[in-house]
Amino acid sequence: DAKTTQPNSMESNEEEPVHLPCNHSTISGTDYIHWYRQLPSQGPEYVIHGLTSNVNNRMASLAIAEDRKSSTLILHRATLRDAAVYYCILRDVAGGGSNYKLTFGKGTLLTVNP
Amino acid sequence: ETGVTQTPRHLVMGMTNKKSLKCEQHLGHNAMYWYKQSAKKPLELMFVYNFKEQTENNSVPSRFSPECPNSSHLFLHLHTLQPEDSALYLCASSQGGGGPLSYEQYFGPGTRLTVT
Repeated sequence: DAKTTQPNSMESNEEEPVHLPCNHSTISGTDYIHWYRQLPSQGPEYVIHGLTSNVNNRMASLAIAEDRKSSTLILHRATLRDAAVYYCILRDVAGGGSNYKLTFGKGTLLTVNP
Repeated sequence: ETGVTQTPRHLVMGMTNKKSLKCEQHLGHNAMYWYKQSAKKPLELMFVYNFKEQTENNSVPSRFSPECPNSSHLFLHLHTLQPEDSALYLCASSQGGGGPLSYEQYFGPGTRLTVT
């Protein structure tokens, strides 16, 4: 699986936007970009995914660079509940059985200050 | 509440014990997963079941034995574990088939296992 690089940690203030970067310079044409987050003492939670175009949902926005070598998860107004580890994951959807595989890295620990 | 439940939430077992972890999903999904999360390590995929068939075994030691009797239930049978097996064991589910609906995995809260 192609690798991703994320900062170990970031800080934000409550009600301010947060931009969480992810580099994936070896991304292939069949890799989808997924974001999950893990709140303290909980299992990971799906946030968003995309392939080439920017994506929006109720939780966040995903901005994907034109060359797809990087992406940014945008939380428009951070709340204290958004404090979590955020994982950027590439998922290759070509081929068979490995379609289901999510390979988690260390992620970015987001701290939200009141 | 994600629709994926795990029991027990906490388990302490000796190295000679046999225990089982249970996962149940109420989402109508066809794929289920076991992950292991050790302290200060990334989540590691252990097993994948798709339509009750095991499709992935990520070189997991045989002291961990999964069972998927139907698409809603997944078990992890544990025997003769080692202290280094102490970790958070997470179950997840998703739509099967590999299409777009399989992209989202829904995780349970995990079982915190301590091996003494």
